[in-house]
Amino acid sequence: KAGVTQTPRYLIKTRGQQVTLSCSPISGHRSVSWYQQTPGQGLQFLFEYFSETQRNKGNFPGRFSGRQFSNSRSEMNVSTLELGDSALYLCASSPTGGAGSSYEQYFGPGTRLTVT
Amino acid sequence: KNEVEQSPQNLTAQEGEFITINCSYSVGISALHWLQQHPGGGIVSLFMLSSGKKKHGRLIATINIQEKHSSLHITASHPRDSAVYICAVRSYFNKFYFGSGTKLNVKP
Repeated sequence: KAGVTQTPRYLIKTRGQQVTLSCSPISGHRSVSWYQQTPGQGLQFLFEYFSETQRNKGNFPGRFSGRQFSNSRSEMNVSTLELGDSALYLCASSPTGGAGSSYEQYFGPGTRLTVT
Repeated sequence: KNEVEQSPQNLTAQEGEFITINCSYSVGISALHWLQQHPGGGIVSLFMLSSGKKKHGRLIATINIQEKHSSLHITASHPRDSAVYICAVRSYFNKFYFGSGTKLNVKP
């Protein structure tokens, strides 16, 4: 099976712009989670989607949003970019069966976003 | 206060040494994950634990739910084990919390 793919891999944006990142999970996986990784804060949880519904959300401002499509592919959007949004954005998929279950997570290679 | 604390932050070992990385957490969890991240960013999930002990090759992970503590052991360490190891927990409320990572350098 193909692994988790993320596009684009690298992105440079300027402050105030918006950006959309894409994640394609492993075939058959219905859950997609998004994470932000920065040198200062480490890994932080953004949100989790299961069957097109946001199941959980981390402590990020409303500028960060996401969605999941019927084929389980997911996108995340960051509006009004700030310098502090520069980070590696990782998504992970899992075959989780629903709320309360916790299956293995399979990570994509990440999208490195630089905001100038 | 961090919900997940890892120690040590940095670890240097000689090839062949036995290595232990510790993780303590303060929230009720449904699962604990050990992750490995190599330079360049790629993350691999090594273990997912909710109780007891798991072993994959030279890697062993244990968890003590009562003490809210987990350990990752690497037996007969090798330079290719050099990476950042991250402890992550999924709380009862489906929130994910991450440790700050342990940077391991294994010298030949």
